[in-house]
Amino acid sequence: DAKTTQPTSMDCAEGRAANLPCNHSTISGNEYVYWYRQIHSQGPQYIIHGLKNNETNEMASLIITEDRKSSTLILPHATLRDTAVYYCIVRVLQGAQKLVFGQGTRLTINP
Amino acid sequence: KAGVTQTPRYLIKTRGQQVTLSCSPISGHRSVSWYQQTPGQGLQFLFEYFSETQRNKGNFPGRFSGRQFSNSRSEMNVSTLELGDSALYLCASSLLLQNTEAFFGQGTRLTVV
Repeated sequence: DAKTTQPTSMDCAEGRAANLPCNHSTISGNEYVYWYRQIHSQGPQYIIHGLKNNETNEMASLIITEDRKSSTLILPHATLRDTAVYYCIVRVLQGAQKLVFGQGTRLTINP
Repeated sequence: KAGVTQTPRYLIKTRGQQVTLSCSPISGHRSVSWYQQTPGQGLQFLFEYFSETQRNKGNFPGRFSGRQFSNSRSEMNVSTLELGDSALYLCASSLLLQNTEAFFGQGTRLTVV
């Protein structure tokens, strides 16, 4: 699975959009970009995934660049409950379920 | 529906002992994966089971083993515990082996003294 690079930490004001970047310059054509988050003392939670088109669900939006070498997770109206470590993962859809977690981005939402 | 259930939530063991952790996946899910989380190494993949067969294994010593039962429930075992095995052990379940979304349990916090 391709490696990802994320900033170690970020801050965002409550009510504003939180934009979390991820670099995955070695991503292969059949690899998807996944985002999970882990709130303190809980198991990771799936947020969203995509291949090359932008994706949106009730939690977030995922913007993938045209060359697929980077992506941005957007939380449109961040709340204090969005404070968590966010992990960007790339993996093939077909195959084993193994998720390779990096260090992630520690997002802090400030009141 | 009920989420992924891991038992026990907390455990304290002595070096040299062995431990068994349990994971009940979401009803209908057949794939179960295990992860170890430590402050130093982060989240690391241990192994994955589907239909009672181990499909993938991470880079952990043979002291770490697991199994899956016909009802998809899974157990992992760690023998000859070391202080470094102290960690949060997380279980994740998925409907299929090739699935988009993994659901994680709350984890078992193991402390080895």
